[in-house]
Amino acid sequence: QVQLVESGGGVVQPGRSLRLSCAASGLTFSTHGFHWVRQAPGKGLEWVAVIWYDGSKKFYGDSVKGRFTISRDDSQNTLYLQLNSLRAEDTAVYFCARDIGTTNYILDSWGQGTQVTVSS
Amino acid sequence: QSALTQPPSASGSPGQSVAISCTGTSSDIGGFNYVSWYQQHPGKAPKLMIYEVTKRPSGVPDRFSGSKSGNTASLTVSGLQAEDEADYYCSSYVDNSNFVFGTGTKVTVL
Repeated sequence: QVQLVESGGGVVQPGRSLRLSCAASGLTFSTHGFHWVRQAPGKGLEWVAVIWYDGSKKFYGDSVKGRFTISRDDSQNTLYLQLNSLRAEDTAVYFCARDIGTTNYILDSWGQGTQVTVSS
Repeated sequence: QSALTQPPSASGSPGQSVAISCTGTSSDIGGFNYVSWYQQHPGKAPKLMIYEVTKRPSGVPDRFSGSKSGNTASLTVSGLQAEDEADYYCSSYVDNSNFVFGTGTKVTVL
């Protein structure tokens, strides 16, 4: 049974940083790509970033490019998202999601999300 | 990347069918067969319902089906049940390794 558990969310001031983690179990971590997706209060889903199964490639949505960094530690079965220069509009629930394959852009397992609130 | 366009709402009575459209461009839906659909109940994580336009993951009822024509994809839910009431999002791979979700459709079972 695949399980993804996000952590690291909280309340942070504009301009500050935060690092989110996603601990994975019940899967062969190194053979899957992973994504971060966020959802602002009362809004739809927004794709944030993807990291290839081998970590060789990373791509970002336009609204976070240059501020957020996705990474992975296969030895710890953990996915990360470093959030820098945070803005009020980054306030959202952040979900990590497994790609169905090495990197097919099909998100077949999701965590329950971690809340990030950017406010002074 | 601009979000794919979905109708804000759709509804049907139990047992009826409802279809949700998802319109993009030749750079996303029209250019690739990587359209997926996700179901999200309030306060819950999204769940994959359809991938690669027409495929259903194990465990998803065959009442859910997908299709595509040109730059528009569709999700049809047949034999509506109360538990189908949820938000539905389409998604697509986009040129240059990007990805985009639709604006979302709230399905109401009357």
